[in-house]
Amino acid sequence: KAGVTQTPRYLIKTRGQQVTLSCSPISGHRSVSWYQQTPGQGLQFLFEYFSETQRNKGNFPGRFSGRQFSNSRSEMNVSTLELGDSALYLCASSLGADSYEQYFGPGTRLTVT
Amino acid sequence: AQSVTQLDSHVSVSEGTPVLLRCNYSSSYSPSLFWYVQHPNKGLQLLLKYTSAATLVKGINGFEAEFKKSETSFHLTKPSAHMSDAAEYFCVVRIKAAGNKLTFGGGTRVLVKP
Repeated sequence: KAGVTQTPRYLIKTRGQQVTLSCSPISGHRSVSWYQQTPGQGLQFLFEYFSETQRNKGNFPGRFSGRQFSNSRSEMNVSTLELGDSALYLCASSLGADSYEQYFGPGTRLTVT
Repeated sequence: AQSVTQLDSHVSVSEGTPVLLRCNYSSSYSPSLFWYVQHPNKGLQLLLKYTSAATLVKGINGFEAEFKKSETSFHLTKPSAHMSDAAEYFCVVRIKAAGNKLTFGGGTRVLVKP
């Protein structure tokens, strides 16, 4: 069974632009969560989607948004990029809404210049 | 609110010697606890999980962890380190009331010397 895939793997953007990252969960998984990893703040929860509904949201500004499609694939969008948005963005999938095991993708490395 | 503290940001061990990574948690509810490992330029891999069953949990690659409620600790150990264990390790807590949201510790980077 294929793992969690994230595209693109690397991205360079300029301040003020917007970006969309994609995550395809493991087949059959219906929950997708997003995390931001930076050297200064570590790993922080962004949001969680289950059956196309946002179940949980972390403490990030409204510039960060996401959605989930009927096939469970998820996208996250960051608008008006700031230098501080440079990070590794990780997506994790799990079978259901209260699953113990989450499987992580390799991440998308976003650099904002 | 829940939180996780990893007591060492860096640990250096010699190959073949034991590894101990320390983790303390804070939670108002009964938590589920996890250890994840992240190798350079890779995603996170689940090593083991505690979900209110046995307090001594065995994971992959010879790792194990013991849940001690009285000490609010969940330390990770391995009897004999291998060069391939060099990576960053994260202690993680999950509260059922928070859905699938994971709260991560700051991470412990492990260096294995030959």
